[in-house]
Parts: sequence; structure tokens; C-alpha cells
Amino acid sequence: EAQVTQNPRYLITVTGKKLTVTCSQNMNHEYMSWYRQDPGLGLRQIYYSMNVEVTDKGDVPEGYKVSRKEKRNFPLILESPSPNQTSLYFCASSLTSTRGTEAFFGQGTRLTVV
Amino acid sequence: AQSVTQLGSHVSVSEGALVLLRCNYSSSVPPYLFWYVQYPNQGLQLLLKYTTGATLVKGINGFEAEFKKSETSFHLTKPSAHMSDAAEYFCAVSVATGRRALTFGSGTRLQVQP
Repeated sequence: EAQVTQNPRYLITVTGKKLTVTCSQNMNHEYMSWYRQDPGLGLRQIYYSMNVEVTDKGDVPEGYKVSRKEKRNFPLILESPSPNQTSLYFCASSLTSTRGTEAFFGQGTRLTVV
Repeated sequence: AQSVTQLGSHVSVSEGALVLLRCNYSSSVPPYLFWYVQYPNQGLQLLLKYTTGATLVKGINGFEAEFKKSETSFHLTKPSAHMSDAAEYFCAVSVATGRRALTFGSGTRLQVQP
């Protein structure tokens, strides 16, 4: 089944404790991105990747890192999480970055930083 | 820069009534427009999209949307609401290939009353 898989689905952590949210897609998609969803703000792009070893900042990159060593995986790293990073995170992939290409989303990771 | 405005963060309708979710966009170039649906505890799923051609677009689950360039709108409609339509709906715009693959509105939560 074609899908984007994120883990974990739920995570509660303490301020400053490094964490990684994994994202994997099995559709051989070139383009992957991370979004955070906050009430009243919709989804905002954190980082994106056009292909392996090619990543760049989105609209709200502060406090986050990513890597793309393999085409299928695109982990999101929070080196020193803070309470303002409490949010619902989505990984998405699409065949290319060409506009109009459908994005496929993971089920989301609800992160709470205390 | 492009932007999306969704009028009404919450919409409530009775089962069997017309569903109308409003979306207006701002773009300096012809946009591609999308509606995504998010069911509780799930990721976003594509409902429909407009790229070029016919301005009335039909999607899944009986939804449709009409692109009106003169009004810069892409409102989502369904003639008869079903309880299973209760979800959050996001309008999104894509105006360029590359980084900003999608810019999302803030979302509209649809409630369907029995």
C-alpha cells in the first residue's frame, strides 16, 4: 500500500531533550516536506527536500533540522526542543515539486514539549 | 507572494443540507488550487484540485469546487451533507514549482448535525 509513515504518533518530552521524528515513503517520491499545524494557522512548511542530499528551509525552520540521505526517508530533528514547538507535525511527499502534483501526507505526530 | 483565506473557522450544517466552504486566494500568476480534508486523528487527503481547463472540478465523496478568476475564489460545495463529512477542510494554492509547493489556508472545521 502506498503510504507515508511517521513515527511516533504521539510524543511528550522535556525542554532541551533531543528528539527525532521519522518519516518514510514507499512511493519513490522525489519531493518531501515537513509541516507543522497549529490552531488558526493552518499548515506551515518547516523544511523541504527536492531530492536526496538536497534540503532547504521552508517558512518556519528555526529550531529544526532535517536530512535526506536516502530517497525514502526524511527525518525531522529537534536538537533542543522548546515549549513553542508543541504542535502537530505532518510529513508529506509528492512525485515531484512541480506545481499541481498531489501531496501525500502521513498521519501526523502530536508533540508536546513540557 | 501567494496566500489563501478561508472564511469561517467553523461551519455547522444539518444532515442533508448544502455544504458551502469558502476559499479566496491571492496570486500574481495563474494558481493551481486544492482542497484537502483531514478526518480526526488522520493526515490530509486530497479532495479535488484545479489546474487548468474546466473551472468546475468534481472530487471524491460528492464534493465539487468552482474556480472563479474574477472573484479569486475556489469555494467547496456538496449538495447534501452526510455525518461522515464532519472533518477539517483546507484550501491550498500552488503558484510555482519548487520550494513552496503548497500554501495552506487556516482551515474550516465542518460539523454535521443529525
